[in-house]
Formats: sequence, C-alpha cells, structure tokens
Amino acid sequence: AQSVTQLGSHVSVSEGALVLLRCNYSSSVPPYLFWYVQYPNQGLQLLLKYTTGATLVKGINGFEAEFKKSETSFHLTKPSAHMSDAAEYFCAVRRTQGGSEKLVFGKGMKLTVNP
Amino acid sequence: ETGVTQTPRHLVMGMTNKKSLKCEQHLGHNAMYWYKQSAKKPLELMFVYSLEERVENNSVPSRFSPECPNSSHLFLHLHTLQPEDSALYLCASSRGRQTNYGYTFGSGTRLTVV
Repeated sequence: AQSVTQLGSHVSVSEGALVLLRCNYSSSVPPYLFWYVQYPNQGLQLLLKYTTGATLVKGINGFEAEFKKSETSFHLTKPSAHMSDAAEYFCAVRRTQGGSEKLVFGKGMKLTVNP
Repeated sequence: ETGVTQTPRHLVMGMTNKKSLKCEQHLGHNAMYWYKQSAKKPLELMFVYSLEERVENNSVPSRFSPECPNSSHLFLHLHTLQPEDSALYLCASSRGRQTNYGYTFGSGTRLTVV
C-alpha cells in the first residue's frame, strides 16, 4: 500500500537559511503527493501538491517541492526561512484501495526557526 | 477561516460524560473525515463518510460514534471516554472521494478527558 516516510521529527534552522524537509514515498501506481502545514492549535493547511505534469511544484508562502521518481522523493524546500515558518509539516500520499482513495500522512516534522 | 468549522475548539470532559463534536462545511464537498491527532503519533484516520454514508471505520472503539445527517455536517458523539482519548480531533472534507484536490481541514477540537 502507498505510504510516505518522514525521517526524524524535528528540524532547526536559522532565520534566512535554507529549509529542507524530506519526504520519501512508496507507491506502485503514479503517486499523488501533498505537503501540509500545521501551525500551533490549528488544523492542517495545504501547502502544495503534485498530481501530474510539472515535477517542480510551487506552493504558498514561498515553498516548493520537486517530485523525483528515480529517488521516490518529494522534498519540501524554501530558500530563506522566516520566523513565521515555525510549524509542523506533514507529507501525504494518495492511497488507492478497492476503487476508493484516501490520503495517508507521514508522522510530521516540526520546524523551528532561530533568530 | 478554512471553510471547515469545528466546535467547540476546546472540550474538557469526565469519563462518564456524553458530549458531541461538530463539524460544518459549506464548500460543496460531499466526503467528510474524522482524524485523531495525538502527541508523537501519526494522524489516525477514524471515519470516512461519502454522500452521508459511512464508508470507512478504522477499528475505532464504540465509545466514538459518528453521525453525518447531511453532506454539510458531521458529528462525533463521545461517551465513557478514557484519558488516552485526549487528543486533537480534526475534521476534513473533500470533493468526492478523489484526492487530487487534497483535503480541507478544520482547526480541530482539543479534547481533554479527566
């Protein structure tokens, strides 16, 4: 069954530094991949998604992700971190089963941005 | 405001209480979901409703009882909960069961069972 792996649980960067959050997927069918962000005491908000087409996907708040089939990866990046980026980030993949679909989430990665 | 509204935002209940969580969306979506988010655990999908019919129940204890009276509203009825049920309960909706648009989440209800 389709799944995603987010290694580690916490990433810390300095303000202005590159943000790189890793996500690897497992899927026997063409994957649909998503990144969500969760700010404290909030629900999950869609940052960006890849379904078909261009492999470099741009999202909100300056984030982007690149689908790399050869590496089974969909890493999230942002060139310059802001304090407001501090949040938890979740990678998700479409899981197909018996003709139905649902999203399956990774365990999340907490991003801390230091001044 | 995400388009999916959950009430209450916070709830403290005793183990013998009965309470309900409410979720409402006016996005025209016809699939709705309940997720449980506990500290240091992955998001757990609890229930899936499509066109007001429950299509998935992921081995959730019977002390959690969902209800979907129409495509805009989803409830989670709670009774005789345990302290380990304390968590953030998230509601989400989507355009049908297709995932290509992703899910829209509410802000959640923070439940504490004492």
